[in-house]
Amino acid sequence: EAQVTQNPRYLITVTGKKLTVTCSQNMNHEYMSWYRQDPGLGLRQIYYSMNVEVTDKGDVPEGYKVSRKEKRNFPLILESPSPNQTSLYFCASSRGRGEAFFGQGTRLTVV
Amino acid sequence: QKEVEQDPGPLSVPEGAIVSLNCTYSNSAFQYFMWYRQYSRKGPELLMYTYSSGNKEDGRFTAQVDKSSKYISLFIRDSQPSDSATYLCAIRNSGGSNYKLTFGKGTLLTVNP
Repeated sequence: EAQVTQNPRYLITVTGKKLTVTCSQNMNHEYMSWYRQDPGLGLRQIYYSMNVEVTDKGDVPEGYKVSRKEKRNFPLILESPSPNQTSLYFCASSRGRGEAFFGQGTRLTVV
Repeated sequence: QKEVEQDPGPLSVPEGAIVSLNCTYSNSAFQYFMWYRQYSRKGPELLMYTYSSGNKEDGRFTAQVDKSSKYISLFIRDSQPSDSATYLCAIRNSGGSNYKLTFGKGTLLTVNP
């Protein structure tokens, strides 16, 4: 089954404690992205990658890092999380000109 | 002017009604148009994808794109309670290295039995 898998689904952490949210896709897609979804603001792109070792900033990259060492994986790293990063996070993958497929989301709370 | 505007609703209709959801956009470079359905606490699920003006039909769903007016619509026929969700329009431009979708804020739809 074609899918984008994120882990964990729910995470509560404390300010400043580094964390990683993993994302994996089994569709051999070149493009992968991270979005955050906030009430009243909708979905906003954090970072994207167009292939292995190629990443770039989206609209709201501050406080986040990513890496793309393998085509299927695109982890999101929060080196020092802060409460304003409390949000619902989605990973997405795409062939490029085609439509994007989303993971089930990670609900992060930073206290 | 925001790149993509979508009426947030909420929209409440009786079962069997025809539902019309709409978005407008400002950037004429946008070439690919998608509609996603998002249930509460779930990821967006792709419903429709099109890249040309006109209509595209899939079962009870019809996506309509009017590039001259920068206006896209999603019609749901014979709406069901299971259609109750937030509907998001998403648009991207035709080229560049960033596969970035620009989303509308979403319209919350409730279909009442």
